[in-house]
This record gives sequence, C-alpha cells and structure tokens, in this order.
Amino acid sequence: LAKTTQPISMDSYEGQEVNITCSHNNIATNDYITWYQQFPSQGPRFIIQGYKTKVTNEVASLFIPADRKSSTLSLPRVSLSDTAVYYCLVGDYHSGYSTLTFGKGTMLLVSP
Amino acid sequence: DVKVTQSSRYLVKRTGEKVFLECVQDMDHENMFWYRQDPGLGLRLIYFSYDVKMKEKGDIPEGYSVSREKKERFSLILESASTNQTSMYLCASRAGTGGYEQYFGPGTRLTVT
Repeated sequence: LAKTTQPISMDSYEGQEVNITCSHNNIATNDYITWYQQFPSQGPRFIIQGYKTKVTNEVASLFIPADRKSSTLSLPRVSLSDTAVYYCLVGDYHSGYSTLTFGKGTMLLVSP
Repeated sequence: DVKVTQSSRYLVKRTGEKVFLECVQDMDHENMFWYRQDPGLGLRLIYFSYDVKMKEKGDIPEGYSVSREKKERFSLILESASTNQTSMYLCASRAGTGGYEQYFGPGTRLTVT
C-alpha cells in the first residue's frame, strides 16, 4: 500500500477555505485516493474519493495533479463544525479484498 | 442509511477477563473490520473478514480473535484482557468488489483495570 504523508495539524478561521495536501509518491496505477473525516468520539466518515484531476461533492473538492503523487482536499468556507481529523488514504479500494490503512491524519482546528 | 452498531459505547473490564465486542451492520456488506484507535497511533487494523466464517489478520492481531458466524455480525474477542488493550475499538463494514466507502460504528471505549 502506498504510504501517505500529511501535516499533523492545521489551523483556520471560520469562513476561510482550507486546503490539506497529502503526499503519496509511490501511488500505484490501480490506486484511488480517499479522504475520511473523524470527529471526537466518533468513527471516521467517508468524505470523497478520486483517481485523477478533480472531484467535487457537497462537502469538499479533491484535486489530483497529473502525476498523482499528491492530492489536495479543499474545504470551502469552513465552520467550527469542520474541526476534526482528516485522513488521506491511498489504495486499490475497488478490490473486494483490500483494506484501509489509516495514518495519523491532519487535525484541523477551526476558530471563530 | 447504512448502519453499523456496536454493542456497547463504554465497557470496563478487569485484567484476565474474557471480553466480547459485538458489531452488527444492516447493509448486507461482505467485508467487516475491527480497528483500535489510540492517541498518537491513529487507527490500526486488528482483524477483518471477507465473508462468513472467513477472517484475516490485520496489523495488530496479537491478543485478539474474531468470529463471523453470520454475515451481518462480526465479533472481536479478547481472550484474557490486559491493561494494554485499553483503547477505543471501532468496527466498520464495506461492500465487496466495487465498494470503496467504509462505514464505521460509533466505537466502544474499553477500559481494562
């Protein structure tokens, strides 16, 4: 499984756009990039997944450059409730036999 | 909505006790997982299962076993609980081939004294 590197923590203020970058230099051809969000005392929750270019949903956008060695999760106009840990995962998750490997994630703190 | 439920939110057990953590999912998912989460260590995979009666070791299986007799239920067993197994335990499920979104339960905070 490709190893990922992401910042340990980030700080932001309400209303700002937050971009969290994840490095995955040894990503394989069949690998997808997936992001999860975890609030305190809860299990992680799927946010978004992509393979290349840009993916957008109602929660976030995911930007993946052509070489796919990194990706950026973009959260538009964050609020206090976006304070959470964000995990970047890389793997061939469309295979029924794959497992998710969670790193330590990025702790995002949103202040008023 | 997919629902993954865990038998207890909080559990306190004594060293040496046998502990059962139960997980049930209602979406007919083939894959089920048990993780533990500790401060500074993130989530670590203990065991997972692709199908009924199938099980595979994850990254930290020592001291644990699992049981999957029915598709919707995946149990984590601590044969003889120890204090270093005090942790948050998270169960998850995912559809088989083609399913990439993993759904987590609320977690069980286990304290072994």
